[in-house]
Formats: sequence, structure tokens, C-alpha cells
Amino acid sequence: IAGITQAPTSQILAAGRRMTLRCTQDMRHNAMYWYRQDLGLGLRLIHYSNTAGTTGKGEVPDGYSVSRANTDDFPLTLASAVPSQTSVYFCASRRTSGIYNEQFFGPGTRLTVL
Amino acid sequence: AQSVSQHNHHVILSEAASLELGCNYSYGGTVNLFWYVQYPGQHLQLLLKYFSGDPLVKGIKGFEAEFIKSKFSFNLRKPSVQWSDTAEYFCAVEQSGGSYIPTFGRGTSLIVHP
Repeated sequence: IAGITQAPTSQILAAGRRMTLRCTQDMRHNAMYWYRQDLGLGLRLIHYSNTAGTTGKGEVPDGYSVSRANTDDFPLTLASAVPSQTSVYFCASRRTSGIYNEQFFGPGTRLTVL
Repeated sequence: AQSVSQHNHHVILSEAASLELGCNYSYGGTVNLFWYVQYPGQHLQLLLKYFSGDPLVKGIKGFEAEFIKSKFSFNLRKPSVQWSDTAEYFCAVEQSGGSYIPTFGRGTSLIVHP
């Protein structure tokens, strides 16, 4: 079982370029999330999706967009990257049916915007 | 909006020392509580969780946490740390009843010297 895969592992990007971070899970979890992790700031939620076809904004959504066309995939797009988007990005998923469920996290994408 | 405070940003201990990491939250209603750990270069993984029942929760690797509702706290403890416990620790809190959107604290960096 792979769990959650993210691609690319790392990327250096010129400011102004468009970039899509990919996230795929094989656990059939209905909820998925994108976080950014910055030193001293912990994890901050960018966007989330409670089920395929729906998305919502988190704490820091500006400059990012997401889509959830199916259960397994939840790509995050930076339409025009800026240096402040340099960060480590984690995708997570969670089964929200039933009870007592936690989030599972992917390995992360380290993004540097120059 | 709820907030989560982790008061200890950096903790340095020697092996066999006892550990207690603080976590306080601001939400006054019923909550679900989590502690996640991030080992160097890895993704977050669950240490333990509390949804209901016994407020003393035991997790993996000898960790435990106690939910004290009157103090809005969910402190993480381990009686004797090991070098392999060196990691970043995150507390997360969410409103019970279906939000499925936890708020994370800023994290505590723990370094254990052998």
C-alpha cells in the first residue's frame, strides 16, 4: 500500500511560472488537504476537499487553486509563483466516515521560488 | 476561530530524561485532539489521538497525553526519552461533530542528546 504519493519531490521554480503539485492517495479517503510548512509557523492549511467535486479555502489560500475531479487525486496549482511561496508542501487525506479517524500525510514537496 | 498554542518551541534533553510538551487550545466546545510527530526529513505521522472516553491516551513509542478539559490542554508526555525521539512534534485540535479541519500548533522541536 503506497498511501499518499506527491510529485515532484522537490522543485526550483522561477517567479511568475505556473506550477502544479500532484497528490494521489490509494486509500479511498474522501477528504484531502494541502498544507504548507514554514519554519516557526507549523502547518497552515491552504485548501481542502471533503469529497470529490467539492473544495474549500483554508487559512492561506491566496495564490493557490485546487481541483478534486475524483477521489484519488488532489492537485495544487500555483498560477504565478512568487518567492513567498517557497515552502514545503504536504498533502494529506482522511476517511471521514465512521469515527476516530486521523489524517495521513504524504512525503512532501520542497518548492523553491526564485 | 480556534487557536492552538505550543509553548515550548525548542526542547533539548538528554537520553532518559522525562518529557512534557504543552498544548493549549482556545475552542470552548467539544474537540478532537491529536499529536503528530515528524522525524527529520520525513512526513508527519500520528502519535496519538483523543476523541472521547478516558482522558489519558496512550500512543506509540511510549508516548501518552492527558486531556484536561478545564484547562483546555492536551499535553504530551514520555517518562524516558531516547535519541530516536529527536523530531518535531505538532499538536492539532478540531471541533467535534464533522468539521474534519484540524488547526495545528506551530510545533515543538525536540533534540535528544545521547
